[in-house]
Amino acid sequence: AQKVTQAQTEISVVEKEDVTLDCVYETRDTTYYLFWYKQPPSGELVFLIRRNSFDEQNEISGRYSWNFQKSTSSFNFTITASQVVDSAVYFCALSEVYNQGGKLIFGQGTELSVKP
Amino acid sequence: SAVISQKPSRDICQRGTSLTIQCQVDSQVTMMFWYRQQPGQSLTLIATANQGSEATYESGFVIDKFPISRPNLTFSTLTVSNMSPEDSSIYLCSVEDPPKEQFFGPGTRLTVL
Repeated sequence: AQKVTQAQTEISVVEKEDVTLDCVYETRDTTYYLFWYKQPPSGELVFLIRRNSFDEQNEISGRYSWNFQKSTSSFNFTITASQVVDSAVYFCALSEVYNQGGKLIFGQGTELSVKP
Repeated sequence: SAVISQKPSRDICQRGTSLTIQCQVDSQVTMMFWYRQQPGQSLTLIATANQGSEATYESGFVIDKFPISRPNLTFSTLTVSNMSPEDSSIYLCSVEDPPKEQFFGPGTRLTVL
């Protein structure tokens, strides 16, 4: 069965610290997609990244970077030099290609608080 | 990516009434979905809105409680019927555009008294 686990419920850091949000997933499919979304206090869900299961290259986008490791079924998200505006709930999600018709399985979310 | 709007953005409703939420997309999309996010919780898929046919519901969600319409490729509605306080949630529609990239609308915050 498919599952996404974000073990960190809440993280609090001081501005300019680096922070890593963990995501571990379970799936029986060999083809799947992994996502990260940001949900600020306004409630809107903001798409950050999609990674397919055949692409294990790490990705960097500005202060954001993602580390995908199939060997440990993890897709971790690092924010470098965090800012107050990064404060939000971050969700990791899994989509299986063949059986789920686009359905996203979400982790429980990690609430990040960045203090000035 | 597609631009998605939802109406209403929030509402406060009385127990036993129904609310219809609209989702409008600025381009034609094949896949549209409805999710629920209960307070302090993660998102759960309610159903896939299929154009021209009945929606496909996830386990635990039924058509009588959450009827969905999808009259065309840019619009869908979700009705929350016979509401109770347990239905207080954020309801979000999403679309796949491009394929395998799923974007969400701003959500509808529903409070049931």
